Amino acid sequence: DTGVSQDPRHKITKRGQNVTFRCDPISEHNRLYWYRQTLGQGPEFLTYFQNEAQLEKSRLLSDRFSAERPKGSFSTLEIQRTEQGDSAMYLCASTYLQGGREQYFGPGTRLTVT
Amino acid sequence: SQQGEEDPQALSIQEGENATMNCSYKTSINNLQWYRQNSGRGLVHLILIRSNEREKHSGRLRVTLDTSKKSSSLLITASRAADTASYFCATLGAGSYQLTFGKGTKLSVIP
Repeated sequence: DTGVSQDPRHKITKRGQNVTFRCDPISEHNRLYWYRQTLGQGPEFLTYFQNEAQLEKSRLLSDRFSAERPKGSFSTLEIQRTEQGDSAMYLCASTYLQGGREQYFGPGTRLTVT
Repeated sequence: SQQGEEDPQALSIQEGENATMNCSYKTSINNLQWYRQNSGRGLVHLILIRSNEREKHSGRLRVTLDTSKKSSSLLITASRAADTASYFCATLGAGSYQLTFGKGTKLSVIP
């Protein structure tokens, strides 16, 4: 069990650029979640997938944010036309559908928009 | 939006002392979970307590849940320097799919 992995761990980009983050969940997990965490705050839910289906996306912060999980395995989170306010830690988590609902988190991708 | 509110926001204790953190929430829950986050890292699940449970133990951790007061507490006994981290409570709402986190308690354990 290698745990949840995220890539890259750090990303520095200029305002207006597009960025994409990848998350590889624990292999048997069929639910995958994306969160955003800003300094001094707890994680804020963005979206989640059950297998390849995106079952909730209304919490994505704007239409500049999109996520995919094309084959029900890894997932990507894309932010288009980044703004300075997008600077945050982006966390991915996975879990079993029938499990205890505890979530297993990756190390996060820290985004800095300059 | 964040449902849980942890109290205190920051706590500093000496190694060997007990640390107690509290969490309040607003709506009905299926379960409540506690997570730990070391600086700049991902979250680690500590313990889950279901809405029909009142107390749960795991090693040096003790969690209580009072659904009538919509509150929970996390007790860490015999603290160690390695316990230094931020601790978050997270609620899973009844019929929900997502966790809602509080702002966390930052615990510092001084050797």
